[in-house]
Amino acid sequence: DAGVTQSPTHLIKTRGQHVTLRCSPISGHKSVSWYQQVLGQGPQFIFQYYEKEERGRGNFPDRFSARQFPNYSSELNVNALLLGDSALYLCASSSVGGSGANVLTFGAGSRLTVL
Amino acid sequence: AQSVSQHNHHVILSEAASLELGCNYSYGGTVNLFWYVQYPGQHLQLLLKYFSGDPLVKGIKGFEAEFIKSKFSFNLRKPSVQWSDTAEYFCAVRKNSGYSTLTFGKGTMLLVSP
Repeated sequence: DAGVTQSPTHLIKTRGQHVTLRCSPISGHKSVSWYQQVLGQGPQFIFQYYEKEERGRGNFPDRFSARQFPNYSSELNVNALLLGDSALYLCASSSVGGSGANVLTFGAGSRLTVL
Repeated sequence: AQSVSQHNHHVILSEAASLELGCNYSYGGTVNLFWYVQYPGQHLQLLLKYFSGDPLVKGIKGFEAEFIKSKFSFNLRKPSVQWSDTAEYFCAVRKNSGYSTLTFGKGTMLLVSP
């Protein structure tokens, strides 16, 4: 089975641009979460989506937005990029209910560099 | 909001040494606890988890962790490390309610010398 897949794996943007990151969850997983991991830190929660609805939002500015599609894939959008947005963006999926509930499986991440 | 504290940012051990990585969290309610590992060049992987029951949980690759509720701790242990255990280890906590999310510690980088 395919794990959580993310695209692109690496990208470089300049300040002020916007970026869209994509995530496909494990088949059967209906919940998708996004995390930001800057160098030397643990992942920081950005968003959680379940059944296409936002279920949680971390302490990130409104420049960050996300959505979940009917097939449970998800996009993370960041507008007006700042240098400080340079990080590894992680997507994780989980099932709801059953033995795997609330256990996040992470993708390899999208590494964003803002110049 | 809950927080997670990992005691050591870097740990260096020789092969066959014993390992204990400290993790403390701040939340008074019922929690789920996790250790994730990130090997060089790889993505975050679940090492072990605690939801309820026996506070001593065993994970993959010979790792175990003990939940001590009175100390708000969930320390990771391994009796004898191998060079292949070189990785970054993250402790994480989740409130056991609703759609609550994972809060991670800052991570501990473990370097095992052969």
